[in-house]
Amino acid sequence: AQSVAQPEDQVNVAEGNPLTVKCTYSVSGNPYLFWYVQYPNRGLQFLLKYITGDNLVKGSYGFEAEFNKSQTSFHLKKPSALVSDSALYFCAVSALSDQGGKLIFGQGTELSVKP
Amino acid sequence: SAVISQKPSRDICQRGTSLTIQCQVDSQVTMMFWYRQQPGQSLTLIATANQGSEATYESGFVIDKFPISRPNLTFSTLTVSNMSPEDSSIYLCSVAGWTGSDTQYFGPGTRLTVL
Repeated sequence: AQSVAQPEDQVNVAEGNPLTVKCTYSVSGNPYLFWYVQYPNRGLQFLLKYITGDNLVKGSYGFEAEFNKSQTSFHLKKPSALVSDSALYFCAVSALSDQGGKLIFGQGTELSVKP
Repeated sequence: SAVISQKPSRDICQRGTSLTIQCQVDSQVTMMFWYRQQPGQSLTLIATANQGSEATYESGFVIDKFPISRPNLTFSTLTVSNMSPEDSSIYLCSVAGWTGSDTQYFGPGTRLTVL
């Protein structure tokens, strides 16, 4: 069965420093991996996805993620964090079915960026 | 990406009553899903809303408790029936194309509190 793990409940970063939010996955077959961000009292916003091709995927707001097949990881990164990046981040894997993909989410990581 | 709206944005309901949540998309979409996000937790898929037929429910969710309609390709409703405080959650609809690699886009969510 497909699953996603985000080992850190919270990540604290100083503004201007690089940030990494970790995600590991378990799937059968080729993985389709996604990152979403949730700001307080808002829905989920799509950041980026990995389908195939280059292992480094670039997305919205300067975020990128690196797909590592051997380590079954898909860590979210940003070279220089902003206070406005503070939010809840979810990694997800698409569980293929005969009705198209449905998402299985990790437990979420709260990112806090301090000035 | 599609523009997705949900009504109501939030509600406070009494135990034993029912609430119907609407999800409207500004363009026709193939797949529509309903998720639940319990307080402080991740998202869990309730069901896939199928146009013109019965929804497909995930393990642990049943039609009597969460009846879903999808009369066309732009609209769906989720009803939370006979509510209890344990149903207090954020309910989100999402839309996507047919394949597992298609990005899911989420509505802003409905925050439900059951007293």
